[in-house]
Amino acid sequence: GENVEQHPSTLSVQEGDSAVIKCTYSDSASNYFPWYKQELGKRPQLIIDIRSNVGEKKDQRIAVTLNKTAKHFSLHITETQPEDSAVYFCAGPFLDINDMRFGAGTRLTVKP
Amino acid sequence: DTGVSQDPRHKITKRGQNVTFRCDPISEHNRLYWYRQTLGQGPEFLTYFQNEAQLEKSRLLSDRFSAERPKGSFSTLEIQRTEQGDSAMYLCASSLAPGWNEQFFGPGTRLTVL
Repeated sequence: GENVEQHPSTLSVQEGDSAVIKCTYSDSASNYFPWYKQELGKRPQLIIDIRSNVGEKKDQRIAVTLNKTAKHFSLHITETQPEDSAVYFCAGPFLDINDMRFGAGTRLTVKP
Repeated sequence: DTGVSQDPRHKITKRGQNVTFRCDPISEHNRLYWYRQTLGQGPEFLTYFQNEAQLEKSRLLSDRFSAERPKGSFSTLEIQRTEQGDSAMYLCASSLAPGWNEQFFGPGTRLTVL
């Protein structure tokens, strides 16, 4: 089955609103949870990551929360701006297969 | 530029031909990854190296694909007998072990198989 599931696949918000993207994973031994942003025609870039010994991490308008019991982690973007429009991918080293897996991505559109 | 570089950036080939791509990671990074990305999808893991050792290879990876990192620096990915389904963006990334850390991606090689 899937090692990581990402929802929603598309998300459209008004500028200034918040956006939340969620990923669910299956391997309880997973210990590192990054989020990448990929703008059109560009390479993926890390925007925030979290390790399993903390529940939340924040960097200005971006935050990631981790719920190890429920095996999901979420990306939160507050006060969205048009330049936040991109595809966002969660990822992780899913240790039962010992390699990195990326979610299918969420296309975020921030309307001005 | 001290980031990850890939060569060539674009490759057009005919079905059945062999192609080889090169990746130069960030110099102090000992881990190097290859991914394939098709339109609208996330990067799909192919394989990764720690130094010169190929530690993992995707179970989905055909025998037509092979990768090397002979001196633990640059890496090559070869696709033999290309098929139209191989058309994709091939991304390389590098990171610093031990443990799982940020991966820095290269610009990718876009392969088109006619």
